[in-house]
Amino acid sequence: EDKVVQSPLSLVVHEGDTVTLNCSYEVTNFRSLLWYKQEKKAPTFLFMLTSSGIEKKSGRLSSILDKKELFSILNITATQTGDSAVYLCAVFYGGSQGNLIFGKGTKLSVKP
Amino acid sequence: DTAVSQTPKYLVTQMGNDKSIKCEQNLGHDTMYWYKQDSKKFLKIMFSYNNKELIINETVPNRFSPKSPDKAHLNLHINSLELGDSAVYFCASSLGLGGGEQFFGPGTRLTVL
Repeated sequence: EDKVVQSPLSLVVHEGDTVTLNCSYEVTNFRSLLWYKQEKKAPTFLFMLTSSGIEKKSGRLSSILDKKELFSILNITATQTGDSAVYLCAVFYGGSQGNLIFGKGTKLSVKP
Repeated sequence: DTAVSQTPKYLVTQMGNDKSIKCEQNLGHDTMYWYKQDSKKFLKIMFSYNNKELIINETVPNRFSPKSPDKAHLNLHINSLELGDSAVYFCASSLGLGGGEQFFGPGTRLTVL
């Protein structure tokens, strides 16, 4: 069965801490992995990863994919209260038009 | 300018009714999607349309039917609403089907009483 598993499910840290969120997957014919941030409303795009070992970076956020071990991590350094959100991992896979499956998300709470 | 818009934002209705949610994107994208997010925040894809053709149709009840009058619009019709249909429904769009970035609408919170 195709699946995407995120860990931890929730995380509470203090401002300034560094966090690492995990996403592992088991799919047939992997095509890409995406990270989204969801605050109170709609998910917003963070990164798309297709190649192993190439880090994507945006400010204090970075992400990397390991296609051999079938996982990705999302790092957030020097966390701020505005980073509090649910972080969603999604995997696009399969042949032809493909399929998309989301993990259940990691809820990050950053305390002042 | 809103990239992906949905109406209504909130919808409260009785069991058994039929309702529609509208979605429009002004990004010129070829692919649009409908997602359901349940109370546990689990996001699940329901449908996607590429150039007005249904591409992914997950195992959703046939009470749900997507309708796309043109590539900028993808509406969701729901017949005979049930309590379990209560959720937030998100519309999204992307440039193509390559699994790239999707732009989400603000969501429609549907409550079935």
